[in-house]
Amino acid sequence: DQQVKQNSPSLSVQEGRISILNCDYTNSMFDYFLWYKKYPAEGPTFLISISSIKDKNEDGRFTVFLNKSAKHLSLHIVPSQPGDSAVYFCAASDGGGGADGLTFGKGTHLIIQP
Amino acid sequence: EAGVAQSPRYKIIEKRQSVAFWCNPISGHATLYWYQQILGQGPKLLIQFQNNGVVDDSQLPKDRFSAERLKGVDSTLKIQPAKLEDSAVYLCASSPGSGVAFFGQGTRLTVV
Repeated sequence: DQQVKQNSPSLSVQEGRISILNCDYTNSMFDYFLWYKKYPAEGPTFLISISSIKDKNEDGRFTVFLNKSAKHLSLHIVPSQPGDSAVYFCAASDGGGGADGLTFGKGTHLIIQP
Repeated sequence: EAGVAQSPRYKIIEKRQSVAFWCNPISGHATLYWYQQILGQGPKLLIQFQNNGVVDDSQLPKDRFSAERLKGVDSTLKIQPAKLEDSAVYLCASSPGSGVAFFGQGTRLTVV
C-alpha cells in the first residue's frame, strides 16, 4: 500500500512556464514533507521542505504548497529552466520534523522543453 | 563540505554470491540510513542508525541483509546470498537531525 503517491510518471513543460508537480499521501501521521530532485546516476538532492504547521514554503523559484485536509502537496517551479529536467520525488516523515526515515513516492520525470 | 561517500559505484554479481557496500556519512551527522531503490520506484528505507544503534530495521530482509555502523561513523550493508530481485541502487544517506537526509551517489547492484 503506497502511502505517498505521485500519479504522474512524467510531465513536459515549456521553458519559462510554470511546472506543477503533485503528490498525495494517505498517512495522517505524516507531519514533514520534502521534495528531492534526482539526475541520472546521482543520488537524490534535497530541494525544499514544509512542516505540517505551514501551508506554503518558498525558496527562490521553488514553492511547496500543503493542503492537509486533502492530504495533498504540490511543488511549483517558476520559471522552469532546462536544468530543472530531472526526476522529482515527494517524501514524507512522521517523526515530528526529526531525523526519521522518509517514505518516498515513485517520482515524476519533469522534462523542460526549449 | 564533503558529501556522503559510497563505494563501490557499480557491482555485478551472480545470484547466491555475497556483496558488501560501504558508506561514509557527512561529518558530524548522527543519523545514517540505507535505502533501496528499484528501477521505477522511489527509495525504500531499509535501516536507520542513530550513532551506532539501530532505530528502525523493520523493512530490512534480515534473512539475507545485514548492516552495521561501528563507532557510529562508517557503515556497511551486506547481502548474503543475493537474489535476482536484489538488483537495485543502494543509497546511503545521513542527517544531522533536522529531518532532511543528504544522499550519496549510490551503488548500482546487478544480480545475474
